[in-house]
Amino acid sequence: AQKVTQAQTEISVVEKEDVTLDCVYETRDTTYYLFWYKQPPSGELVFLIRRNSFDEQNEISGRYSWNFQKSTSSFNFTITASQVVDSAVYFCALSEGRDSSYKLIFGSGTRLLVRP
Amino acid sequence: DTGVSQDPRHKITKRGQNVTFRCDPISEHNRLYWYRQTLGQGPEFLTYFQNEAQLEKSRLLSDRFSAERPKGSFSTLEIQRTEQGDSAMYLCASSPRLAGGPTDTQYFGPGTRLTVL
Repeated sequence: AQKVTQAQTEISVVEKEDVTLDCVYETRDTTYYLFWYKQPPSGELVFLIRRNSFDEQNEISGRYSWNFQKSTSSFNFTITASQVVDSAVYFCALSEGRDSSYKLIFGSGTRLLVRP
Repeated sequence: DTGVSQDPRHKITKRGQNVTFRCDPISEHNRLYWYRQTLGQGPEFLTYFQNEAQLEKSRLLSDRFSAERPKGSFSTLEIQRTEQGDSAMYLCASSPRLAGGPTDTQYFGPGTRLTVL
């Protein structure tokens, strides 16, 4: 069965610290897609990144970087030099290629608090 | 270029009343999804449309829930005889369907927060 686990419920850091949010997924499909979304206090889910299962290259976008490792079924997200504006709930999500709906299966989220 | 919009943003109702939410997807996006998010949890899939056809419904969608997308543009989600357990954030998302390939990213609206008293 498909599942996404975000074991860290809440993380608190001081501004400028680096922080890594963990995501572990389960799927029997060989083709799948992984996502990270940010949900600020306003409530809207903001898309951050999409990765397909055939592309294990790590990606960097400004202060954000993602580490995809199929061997450990993990798709971790690192924020470098965190800022107060990074405070939000972050969700990792999975969609499976054999599922024609491509619906998203979300983890329970990690609440990140960045203190000044 | 506007994003996904939802109306209303907040709805407070009494148990047993009917409520209807609206979602306007990004123009040209032919896939539209509804999710429900309760406090402290990630969103859970409810249903999705490709154009005007409702192609899948979750078991979470009881017979009190109905969704429509009559012209393949906006969608409505109606909850009849609301219960306190229906209190949640209802999120809508849309995505384009790339011909012959996998679907693209889902973009979410701001959600409708429902409180059932």
